[in-house]
Amino acid sequence: AQKITQTQPGMFVQEKEAVTLDCTYDTSDPSYGLFWYKQPSSGEMIFLIYQGSYDQQNATEGRYSLNFQKARKSANLVISASQLGDSAMYFCAMREGPRTSYDKVIFGPGTSLSVIP
Amino acid sequence: DGGITQSPKYLFRKEGQNVTLSCEQNLNHDAMYWYRQDPGQGLRLIYYSQIVNDFQKGDIAEGYSVSREKKESFPLTVTSAQKNPTAFYLCASMTHRGTDTGELFFGEGSRLTVL
Repeated sequence: AQKITQTQPGMFVQEKEAVTLDCTYDTSDPSYGLFWYKQPSSGEMIFLIYQGSYDQQNATEGRYSLNFQKARKSANLVISASQLGDSAMYFCAMREGPRTSYDKVIFGPGTSLSVIP
Repeated sequence: DGGITQSPKYLFRKEGQNVTLSCEQNLNHDAMYWYRQDPGQGLRLIYYSQIVNDFQKGDIAEGYSVSREKKESFPLTVTSAQKNPTAFYLCASMTHRGTDTGELFFGEGSRLTVL
C-alpha cells in the first residue's frame, strides 16, 4: 500500500536561511510522481514542485528544489532564502502509475513551517 | 478565469442530515478528486473519478457518496452514516494535456460543521 511519511510536525527557520522538509514514501510501483504543496492559513493548496520517478535530475522551481534519493525513497523539499510568506503547512504527495495516469494521489501528514524574522 | 468552484464555503448541519457539497470545474480536466482534512492533519482521499460515469473509492469512502454525470461536476454527499463529518473538504482536478507534471488543481474548500 502507498504511504507517505513526514517526520517533522513543526519546523522553525530564520528568515533568509535555507530549510529542508523531509518526506519518505513507500510504493512497489516503479512508475510514480512526487509532489509538494503549500497550504497557508487561508486553506488554499498551492502546487510547488514535481519529481517523476524516472526523472534523472532533481527538480527545481525558483527557491524550491527537491532532493530526490530514489534508493532511499526520499523526496525532501529544500527552500532557499526563506521568507516570512513561506510560513505555512507543507505536504508531500505521491501518485502511483505513469505520468499520464489518473490514479489516486495520497498525501503525507504535513509539516508546519514557521519563518522567524 | 478557469478554475474549480466549491460551494458552499461554510455549511452547518444537524446530526442525521445528509448534505451535498458542490464541485464544478471549467478547466476541461478529466479527473476529479475529493479529500477530507481534519485540523492539523493531512489530506485523506474520499473518492476520485477518472472519467464521466465512473469513480473509485479512496481510503475513507465510508459514509460518503459521489456522482460524475458531467465532466465539469463532481458533487460529494456526506450521509448520516458518516460518524464524524465535521471537517474541511477539498475538491481537486487533474489533467495530463499540456502539462509535464499532472499536478492537482484545488478548489478553495468547504468547511462542514455538524451541530
